[in-house]
Amino acid sequence: AQSVTQLDSHVSVSEGTPVLLRCNYSSSYSPSLFWYVQHPNKGLQLLLKYTSAATLVKGINGFEAEFKKSETSFHLTKPSAHMSDAAEYFCVVGLLRGGGNKLTFGTGTQLKVEL
Amino acid sequence: NAGVMQNPRHLVRRRGQEARLRCSPMKGHSHVYWYRQLPEEGLKFMVYLQKENIIDESGMPKERFSAEFPKEGPSILRIQQVVRGDSAAYFCASSPPGTGYGYTFGSGTRLTIV
Repeated sequence: AQSVTQLDSHVSVSEGTPVLLRCNYSSSYSPSLFWYVQHPNKGLQLLLKYTSAATLVKGINGFEAEFKKSETSFHLTKPSAHMSDAAEYFCVVGLLRGGGNKLTFGTGTQLKVEL
Repeated sequence: NAGVMQNPRHLVRRRGQEARLRCSPMKGHSHVYWYRQLPEEGLKFMVYLQKENIIDESGMPKERFSAEFPKEGPSILRIQQVVRGDSAAYFCASSPPGTGYGYTFGSGTRLTIV
């Protein structure tokens, strides 16, 4: 069984300040972990993925996440927020099965960026 | 490569009608997944298919919902006798054979039941 907990449903930051979106996971196997972003009424865009290589993963648009097995965490960070980062962010754990990957999504964190 | 194509983008159905959602995977991708996003919630896995086979349908409601991925043509998610609670965004994703890491989502179909 696998699950994901996103610790904050809403996060508000000022433009130019750091972003931290927290995620804890539970998985019976070595997990594959992802962060996706969803802008209003849009599809999902992959920000980054962890697949058992380097524990610090760099993604698009300046985002990165660190896999910490001892803490079962995969927090998403960005040094300086931009207005265009305002969106909903999903932490996701994957279970490889039959050559495919069944994803379990967290409940999402709504990021608000203020001037 | 056109990406994962879903149509229609928006679909309105009256209660009791049938809804058919279509998904064409990326070229070279043999695995298709369907997810449902209810308002104010994250995505929930419904079903995972390969060509002509259902691999995992553990997230599909037991009644009224079915999915197929025929040898030729797109994958279809079919909802019979729709009810108000079926209103949601339905997302399709595809991945290439052998690994699930190259996962790509479509833009979704927003289903509204009136």
